[in-house]
Amino acid sequence: AQSVTQLDSQVPVFEEAPVELRCNYSSSVSVYLFWYVQYPNQGLQLLLKYLSGSTLVKGINGFEAEFNKSQTSFHLRKPSVHISDTAEYFCAVRPNNDYKLSFGAGTTVTVRA
Amino acid sequence: SAVISQKPSRDICQRGTSLTIQCQVDSQVTMMFWYRQQPGQSLTLIATANQGSEATYESGFVIDKFPISRPNLTFSTLTVSNMSPEDSSIYLCTSGQIGETQYFGPGTRLLVL
Repeated sequence: AQSVTQLDSQVPVFEEAPVELRCNYSSSVSVYLFWYVQYPNQGLQLLLKYLSGSTLVKGINGFEAEFNKSQTSFHLRKPSVHISDTAEYFCAVRPNNDYKLSFGAGTTVTVRA
Repeated sequence: SAVISQKPSRDICQRGTSLTIQCQVDSQVTMMFWYRQQPGQSLTLIATANQGSEATYESGFVIDKFPISRPNLTFSTLTVSNMSPEDSSIYLCTSGQIGETQYFGPGTRLLVL
């Protein structure tokens, strides 16, 4: 079985400041890793994913994440946030031989001017 | 990536009634999934729907409460039966196969009074 821990439930940040959202996972098998974003009153949108290859992956809206296998982490970063980045962010994992996604509890990012 | 639409986008229902949610994918897919997101919570997989076979339910979810249909490779329905206020959630469908990224529909926001 897989589990996902998002270490921060709420992250307040000022506009144009950097942000990092932490995600750790546990799994007995190799996994694929995802970050999804949920804007207020909307569904889930894929931000980025790690399937294989380079451990640094770039996604939409200037976000990037780094897969660290030894630390079983997949932290999400953005060097300069905008008000429009205010949203709920979910880290998710899926075994590479299965289709079931396991989600973290989510991190609420609130960007203030 | 598959484009997923859901109907209705939101509804307010009385306890004891049932609501059927429709999910349409713009391409043929083998597997479709239904998730629930309770208020302030993360996503939980309800069941997996394969065309031509019974849905597979996750622990804590039963067919009598959440009957699912999968009449063809582009469509599925989830019924929330005999609703109570605890069923107030966002219900999301997605599609995908092993090795593929799952993209989510916009979700159905359900409020049970």
